[in-house]
Amino acid sequence: RKEVEQDPGPFNVPEGATVAFNCTYSNSASQSFFWYRQDCRKEPKLLMSVYSSGNEDGRFTAQLNRASQYISLLIRDSKLSDSATYLCVVTPLGTYKYIFGTGTRLKVLA
Amino acid sequence: DTEVTQTPKHLVMGMTNKKSLKCEQHMGHRAMYWYKQKAKKPPELMFVYSYEKLSINESVPSRFSPECPNSSLLNLHLHALQPEDSALYLCASSQNYNEQFFGPGTRLTVL
Repeated sequence: RKEVEQDPGPFNVPEGATVAFNCTYSNSASQSFFWYRQDCRKEPKLLMSVYSSGNEDGRFTAQLNRASQYISLLIRDSKLSDSATYLCVVTPLGTYKYIFGTGTRLKVLA
Repeated sequence: DTEVTQTPKHLVMGMTNKKSLKCEQHMGHRAMYWYKQKAKKPPELMFVYSYEKLSINESVPSRFSPECPNSSLLNLHLHALQPEDSALYLCASSQNYNEQFFGPGTRLTVL
């Protein structure tokens, strides 16, 4: 089993739709969780950190479920510009070894 | 300023060449990272420096040699690379175990 798993997609959704991605992790001692987006041939850019209480930034909401060992990302009112690959990242306790999921591709269609 | 800079943006080198990639950040972060990324794959960790000391080497071949001259700079020295080493090389930095910030990368082609 991979340490961090994501559905690779692609998720093809119409503009205005709501879409959700999950990311599961295997190490229960993981301490920090992040969502990044990566556009084609560009570097990953931080989208959100994921806190135990959940957090929201505009149209984006991230949740952490420690009991079931997954994090989620919800995008409301999808825009064409949201088309990208979304990477979840998990860090085990006390290590700089950030572990990337394989990424989920999102295409928002006009 | 959440900027990490990398030079060069593109690099083409032969298998006998020696070249270096450079990375700089001025956010006061004490952890800096090198990643390699192939097309349609996630970034793959190569090296981590923490407080200017090498703390993680992910069994990277010796033809890649990292260097951290000071807390703001990170280099990756390349020698005798193979065509399969062609990839996007990303530098990142973080403050402790918090969010990483990535540079734009160097796109390397080995002929």
